[in-house]
Amino acid sequence: SQQGEEDPQALSIQEGENATMNCSYKTSINNLQWYRQNSGRGLVHLILIRSNEREKHSGRLRVTLDTSKKSSSLLITASRAADTASYFCATVYSNDYKLSFGAGTTVTVRA
Amino acid sequence: AAGVIQSPRHLIKEKRETATLKCYPIPRHDTVYWYQQGPGQDPQFLISFYEKMQSDKGSIPDRFSAQQFSDYHSELNMSSLELGDSALYFCASSATSGFDNEQFFGPGTRLTVL
Repeated sequence: SQQGEEDPQALSIQEGENATMNCSYKTSINNLQWYRQNSGRGLVHLILIRSNEREKHSGRLRVTLDTSKKSSSLLITASRAADTASYFCATVYSNDYKLSFGAGTTVTVRA
Repeated sequence: AAGVIQSPRHLIKEKRETATLKCYPIPRHDTVYWYQQGPGQDPQFLISFYEKMQSDKGSIPDRFSAQQFSDYHSELNMSSLELGDSALYFCASSATSGFDNEQFFGPGTRLTVL
């Protein structure tokens, strides 16, 4: 991975439970983005949080960013079977444009 | 709304052959990025173009080349294919090469090298 780590690598939860995954990065960023990928399919953009933001919401998703710890978390509330996917965080480092992806967290939501 | 189009969606090649992947960005997007995702791996940045000029280069092998054309579509040319080139290749586009740009990904081309 180009940037840092995501944890956990895999997560299995019951439908209706919350899922939390974390992402760490190495140097200062301009923004951090979360993506979802269903098995072998395309990357779906979920949410973008800028370096001067601390928390952002989108539907059942909540993203936090702690630049002092160089970490971000993604919370999915009231999970559904359709949330089963891999979730990647990707950073845009300062003075850069490209996305640097983390290793991803595989989430399985059991019905 | 129009999305990023990639073709072909699937491609099977033999070792040492060449392959050309195409990407059609969202209309009025001027920046194109290419990423490679190996099996079970995270996407890795290969190369990007802004206004038809190469803007950044990542871990792209010398056997690969790419360009962006006057209509903003991009092509990734891969020669002397190796087994390790088997991967999903994503193209993404954005409206500007600015720091806060949101990149929109295409569905990917799955390349299998036999």
